[in-house]
Amino acid sequence: KQEVTQIPAALSVPEGENLVLNCSFTDSAIYNLQWFRQDPGKGLTSLLLIQSSQREQTSGRLNASLDKSSGRSTLYIAASQPGDSATYLCAAPLQGGKLIFGQGTELSVKP
Amino acid sequence: GAVVSQHPSWVICKSGTSVKIECRSLDFQATTMFWYRQFPKQSLMLMATSNEGSKATYEQGVEKDKFLINHASLTLSTLTVTSAHPEDSSFYICSASVSGRRSNYGYTFGSGTRLTVV
Repeated sequence: KQEVTQIPAALSVPEGENLVLNCSFTDSAIYNLQWFRQDPGKGLTSLLLIQSSQREQTSGRLNASLDKSSGRSTLYIAASQPGDSATYLCAAPLQGGKLIFGQGTELSVKP
Repeated sequence: GAVVSQHPSWVICKSGTSVKIECRSLDFQATTMFWYRQFPKQSLMLMATSNEGSKATYEQGVEKDKFLINHASLTLSTLTVTSAHPEDSSFYICSASVSGRRSNYGYTFGSGTRLTVV
């Protein structure tokens, strides 16, 4: 049974810091892993999708890595900005398409 | 990119009435859509998987008769909360899988519907 865990649950950093969000999963037989951002009261915005054959994906200041052997993925945010404040969720799909989510990391970037 | 449009974004209804939430895939065909519920400060909880042209598959503990799902076309899925009660107040989000010919392009989500039952 796939379980997805995210740490930390909450993170507060000053503007400009580089930071790392962690995601771990129990079943390494995933075929992709996706990172999302959720602003309060809003839906989910896809940030990065890493296929199982890939090690990392980059988009602007965001870089996500995937290590299937250790069951871990990290989301790296460079030069954080107040606008990055949101909840970040990682998710892995099961066969049949169900997404298993972590509990999320609530990020606050202070100006 | 693939977009899922969800309406309404918020709704307030009286106890005992029914509310319909719509999700449309705007630029792709969604054979399968997923409906989630989210409580404050919690992650998403999958309620059901909606398949075009067939009955939805509900997760354990989700009442089929209370949460009616219809997926009549490849671009539209609806969730109807029947005989709503205050405990049904929550944030409901739909999503669809975006699949290309060779790989899965992940999931795209609607903007969510805040339901308040008074």
